[in-house]
Amino acid sequence: AQSVSQHNHHVILSEAASLELGCNYSYGGTVNLFWYVQYPGQHLQLLLKYFSGDPLVKGIKGFEAEFIKSKFSFNLRKPSVQWSDTAEYFCAVNRPGGGSYIPTFGRGTSLIVHP
Amino acid sequence: EAQVTQNPRYLITVTGKKLTVTCSQNMNHEYMSWYRQDPGLGLRQIYYSMNVEVTDKGDVPEGYKVSRKEKRNFPLILESPSPNQTSLYFCASTGLSEGGAFFGQGTRLTVV
Repeated sequence: AQSVSQHNHHVILSEAASLELGCNYSYGGTVNLFWYVQYPGQHLQLLLKYFSGDPLVKGIKGFEAEFIKSKFSFNLRKPSVQWSDTAEYFCAVNRPGGGSYIPTFGRGTSLIVHP
Repeated sequence: EAQVTQNPRYLITVTGKKLTVTCSQNMNHEYMSWYRQDPGLGLRQIYYSMNVEVTDKGDVPEGYKVSRKEKRNFPLILESPSPNQTSLYFCASTGLSEGGAFFGQGTRLTVV
């Protein structure tokens, strides 16, 4: 079965600290990788995505993620977080090679940033 | 404006009373899916559809039904809701070119 693992369930940081959230997926073949953000009380929004090419992708609001194929990982990073980054973050994977563009999600990481 | 519209946003119902949550997208996307979100469990896929009249079970399909008679609509049906279906539900649609999913605003369902 498809599996997406997010290692950190809860992260608490102070403003200006650096952030790295881990994500691993469990299957090979061609995959598309995503990070979504859910601000309190809102729906999920796409932060960034990787389909192919440069494994370091830049998203909105200063976020970036690096795809490491050999490690089946797609970790999210931000050099300096802000209070407004407080949200839940979800890693997701779909498998266009398998004919499915339906994403499978990890359990999410709750990020709290203290001012 | 590209959007996925779910209705209702909030619903309180009683055990056993059939209900339908509607989902509509205006992007002509082929793929649509339903998720439920529960604390500590993230988003779990209920059902998905790859096109009109093509639907399949996700990870937690028990107690739910779906239909895809038109490309833009993908309603979620609970024939006999139970309290363990109290949750936050999201509909999503995905196009072949965009890859990423667009989500509706969510439906918070409480079954008493």
